Amino acid sequence: DIQMTQSPSSLSASVGDRVTITCRASQSISSYLNWYQQKPGKAPKLLIYSASSLQSGVPSRFSGSGSGTDFTLTISSLQPEDFATYYCQQSYSLPMNTFGQGTKVEIK
Amino acid sequence: QVQLQESGPGLVKPSETLSLTCTVSGGSINSYYWNWIRQPAGKGLEWIGRIYASGSTNYNPSLESRVTMSVDTSKKQFSLKLTSVTAADTAVYFCARMISLAGTVWFDPWGQGTLVTVSS
Repeated sequence: DIQMTQSPSSLSASVGDRVTITCRASQSISSYLNWYQQKPGKAPKLLIYSASSLQSGVPSRFSGSGSGTDFTLTISSLQPEDFATYYCQQSYSLPMNTFGQGTKVEIK
Repeated sequence: QVQLQESGPGLVKPSETLSLTCTVSGGSINSYYWNWIRQPAGKGLEWIGRIYASGSTNYNPSLESRVTMSVDTSKKQFSLKLTSVTAADTAVYFCARMISLAGTVWFDPWGQGTLVTVSS
């Protein structure tokens, strides 16, 4: 099974900060990596698919990069509505899908 | 746009069967994989399995012995049954559509989720 490890597990940041979250796969997954945002009590929302493609309607301050085993999600200027938990998900080993454990972004 | 809505009992007794249904509105149920994903309180996301409109299924190996999914295209619904539940199955259960493009897939949209508690 492919394991997905996110770091950090949580972080504190201020509005306007640049935030980077890392996701590492236990083996190469090419670019089959997606990012989701989840707010408390809500379903996850797709932000980035195929490692770097921005989902329609998602603000351009969100960006994704990486391939192989190492991926990053970057928020260029953190906004109040961005405080949430972020998950990566690999779709390389279909039909099995696995998610990272999540990164909680909190207000400093 | 496509919207998903989960429904089913919020309380299930240990050793019994959890049954949930997801209703698709605003779009076709055909030509997509439909998924169940769960999230225990304060924890991460676990993919349970998927079903195609034709009825073809794939399940998470860790749950495969207890999971059955079905689809009713006439009602635009798909369902999950999880047998022999324990407290470890207590979670918010989400349904989600799987989008496929150029060999990669992602989940969009998701239902709002429904909390299922396993307790006597």
